[in-house]
Amino acid sequence: EVQLVESGGDLVQPGGSLRLSCAASGFTFSSHYMHWVRQAPGKGLVWVSRISDDGTGTMYTDSVKGRFTISRDNAKNTLYLQMNSLRAEDTAFYYCARETGGHHDDFDYWGQGTLVTVSS
Amino acid sequence: QSVLTQPPSVSGAPGQGVTISCSGSTSNIGAGYDVHWYQQLPGTAPKLLIYANSNRPSGVPDRFSGSKSGTSASLAITGLQAEDEGDYYCHSYDGSLRGYVFGTGTKVTVL
Repeated sequence: EVQLVESGGDLVQPGGSLRLSCAASGFTFSSHYMHWVRQAPGKGLVWVSRISDDGTGTMYTDSVKGRFTISRDNAKNTLYLQMNSLRAEDTAFYYCARETGGHHDDFDYWGQGTLVTVSS
Repeated sequence: QSVLTQPPSVSGAPGQGVTISCSGSTSNIGAGYDVHWYQQLPGTAPKLLIYANSNRPSGVPDRFSGSKSGTSASLAITGLQAEDEGDYYCHSYDGSLRGYVFGTGTKVTVL
């Protein structure tokens, strides 16, 4: 069974840092591109970042470029999101999601989300 | 703000059908990029409902169907059931933004 379990969400002050983790199981992690998607409470989904299967290629939405870094450890089956210079508008549930692959870029599995709150 | 526009809400009686539109542009849907749809029930993570414009993953009822034409896509739900209440999002890639985009989201209410 495919499982994605996020962790690391917390209350952090503006300007602070946080690292989110997403533990993957039930599939060959190193064969799939992975994504982070966020959702502010009561708001819609926003794509944040993508990393290639081998970790060499990354993409970010403009609002987090230069502040967030996506990475992965295929030996540990874990995806990360390092978030620096956090702002109030970064407050959201953060979901990791698996890209199906095989020429399909839909997100076929999602974690349950972890809440990041940026507030003083 | 999202570059994929959806109606904020749609509603229908049990057994009836509803359609949700997803309006994009020539840099995303109109450029030929696939459109996917997700269902998010209250308090849960999104779930893949339709992939590559019109394909249903295993386990998704055939009451759900997707289509794409020009710069828009649509999700149709027939035979509405109470369990269908939730939020629905379209999703695609935007070549101008060089990133993925989600629709603004549509809340489905079963009357």
